[in-house]
Amino acid sequence: KAGVTQTPRYLIKTRGQQVTLSCSPISGHRSVSWYQQTPGQGLQFLFEYFSETQRNKGNFPGRFSGRQFSNSRSEMNVSTLELGDSALYLCASSSGQGGGNIQYFGAGTRLSVL
Amino acid sequence: AQSVTQPDIHITVSEGASLELRCNYSYGATPYLFWYVQSPGQGLQLLLKYFSGDTLVQGIKGFEAEFKRSQSSFNLRKPSVHWSDAAEYFCAVGAGQGGKLIFGQGTELSVKP
Repeated sequence: KAGVTQTPRYLIKTRGQQVTLSCSPISGHRSVSWYQQTPGQGLQFLFEYFSETQRNKGNFPGRFSGRQFSNSRSEMNVSTLELGDSALYLCASSSGQGGGNIQYFGAGTRLSVL
Repeated sequence: AQSVTQPDIHITVSEGASLELRCNYSYGATPYLFWYVQSPGQGLQLLLKYFSGDTLVQGIKGFEAEFKRSQSSFNLRKPSVHWSDAAEYFCAVGAGQGGKLIFGQGTELSVKP
């Protein structure tokens, strides 16, 4: 079974631009979660989608948004990029519901904002 | 508030020595607990998990962890460290419904030859 696939692996953008990151979950998984990883703040939860519905959202500004498609693939979008948005963005998929489900992570997208 | 604390930011051990990484959590209900490992430039790989039952859980790569409710701890152990274990280790708690994990700040492990 293929793992979680994130594209692209690396991105360079300038302040004020917007960016879209993509995540393909493990086949059969219906839940996709997104995390931001920075040296200063560590790993922080952005949001989670299950069957195309956002079920949970972290404490991030509205510039961060996401969606999930009927095939469970997910995208996250960051508008009006700021320097502080530079981070590794990780996507994780799991099979179902609840905190007891194991989340499997992709390799991440490294975003650099100049 | 739900939180996870890993008190040690960086640990160095000699190859072949034993290892213990500390993790303390704060969570109102019975927690779902995880340990993940991250190599440079990579995503997170699950080492082991605790959901319920036996408080000593075995994971991959020879790692184990013990859940101690009275101490709100979930420490990771390995009897003999290999150079390939050098990486960053994260403890996490599953925060109820909605697939949210709360992570500790991570412990970076260096292995001396």
